Amino acid sequence: QVQLQESGPGLVKPSQTLSLTCTVSGGSISSGGYYWSWIRQHPGKGLEWIGYIYYSGSTYYNPSLKSRVTISVDTSKNQFSLKLSSVTAADTAVYYCARALRSQYYFDYWGQGTLVTVSS
Amino acid sequence: EIVMTQSPATLSVSPGERATLSCRASQSVSSNLAWYQQKPGQAPRLLIYGASTRATGIPARFSGSGSGTEFTLTISSLQSEDFAVYYCQQYNNWPTTFGQGTKVEIK
Repeated sequence: QVQLQESGPGLVKPSQTLSLTCTVSGGSISSGGYYWSWIRQHPGKGLEWIGYIYYSGSTYYNPSLKSRVTISVDTSKNQFSLKLSSVTAADTAVYYCARALRSQYYFDYWGQGTLVTVSS
Repeated sequence: EIVMTQSPATLSVSPGERATLSCRASQSVSSNLAWYQQKPGQAPRLLIYGASTRATGIPARFSGSGSGTEFTLTISSLQSEDFAVYYCQQYNNWPTTFGQGTKVEIK
């Protein structure tokens, strides 16, 4: 059973960089066939896809966030990470990591989510 | 970007009744549509993919239909654990996008 777990600071100051890591267990990121993704949910709102990374390091980001987002992968640790720069209060959200099939991009496994608040 | 519109925003249903949720895409997404269930404080859970295929472990009372721009999620007989928010997601075009959700509440 694949499990994903987000970790990182719950509070980030405005203009700084939000950094989160997702640790995958029960399966190897290097096995291929999946896009490892980040999704966020503003308080009381819907879901917004941020981007994905493949084990090879190839990425694709939501155009609305592309200028501020970097997703990286560390296959030796079976982890992938999100960096979101120049954050504002509008970036306050629950951040989820999730797995999607490469052939059909729906999300079959999700982390529990972590709330990140942007505030001074 | 494809806009996904779900209706109604809130659906009040009695336990044991049928619930019908709608999702409309601003352009055709073929059958590349998924449905998720989210309960308070939890991550979304995949229910349906390919518009009509139930994910592993999902009860048969959940069914999906539609193609192109119009999709439906039907819960045939609502159980207490089914009261939640439901989201649709299109994955036919990048970026993938979600609907704003339908909350199914107890009547």
